[in-house]
Amino acid sequence: NAGVTQTPKFRVLKTGQSMTLLCAQDMNHEYMYWYRQDPGMGLRLIHYSVGEGTTAKGEVPDGYNVSRLKKQNFLLGLESAAPSQTSVYFCASRNVAGRPGETQYFGPGTRLLVL
Amino acid sequence: AQSVAQPEDQVNVAEGNPLTVKCTYSVSGNPYLFWYVQYPNRGLQFLLKYITGDNLVKGSYGFEAEFNKSQTSFHLKKPSALVSDSALYFCAVRGINTGGFKTIFGAGTRLFVKA
Repeated sequence: NAGVTQTPKFRVLKTGQSMTLLCAQDMNHEYMYWYRQDPGMGLRLIHYSVGEGTTAKGEVPDGYNVSRLKKQNFLLGLESAAPSQTSVYFCASRNVAGRPGETQYFGPGTRLLVL
Repeated sequence: AQSVAQPEDQVNVAEGNPLTVKCTYSVSGNPYLFWYVQYPNRGLQFLLKYITGDNLVKGSYGFEAEFNKSQTSFHLKKPSALVSDSALYFCAVRGINTGGFKTIFGAGTRLFVKA
């Protein structure tokens, strides 16, 4: 099992450019999440999905969109990047609904720099 | 509102000494509590969790944590620190009132273990 993988690992964007971050998991997990990590602020939830075809907003959704067309993939889009979106982005996945104690599994992260 | 507090930005200990990384939480209902560790340029790795039962939970790499309901705390401990334990540690809580789907993370505590 590869677990949770993220593409790309690092990216530099100019303000106003767009990009898509890809997260893939091979554990057949129902739930998937996108977080951003900023110094001193821990992980903040951007969007999440409780199943294929569903998405929901987290704490800091503005400026981001997501899609979950396939169960194993969760895409995070930045339509018009801003310097405030410079961060490290982590994807995570978790097993089935109704089991709130299940552990989250994290990808290795994507470092994004917006100039 | 649900929250997690890690009151120390940084903890310094000498190798071989016991270590404690503090975590307190606020959540309605029964909490599900987690500790994760992050090594440089890596994603978060699961250490241990409390769901129910024994208040002392044992996890990976010799770490343990004690759930204290009256003090709403879940401090991470290790009897004898190793230099290789130096990393960023995150406490997290999940409860029914966070939607059962979402995990709230603390800001993180950086642990330095000196040889």
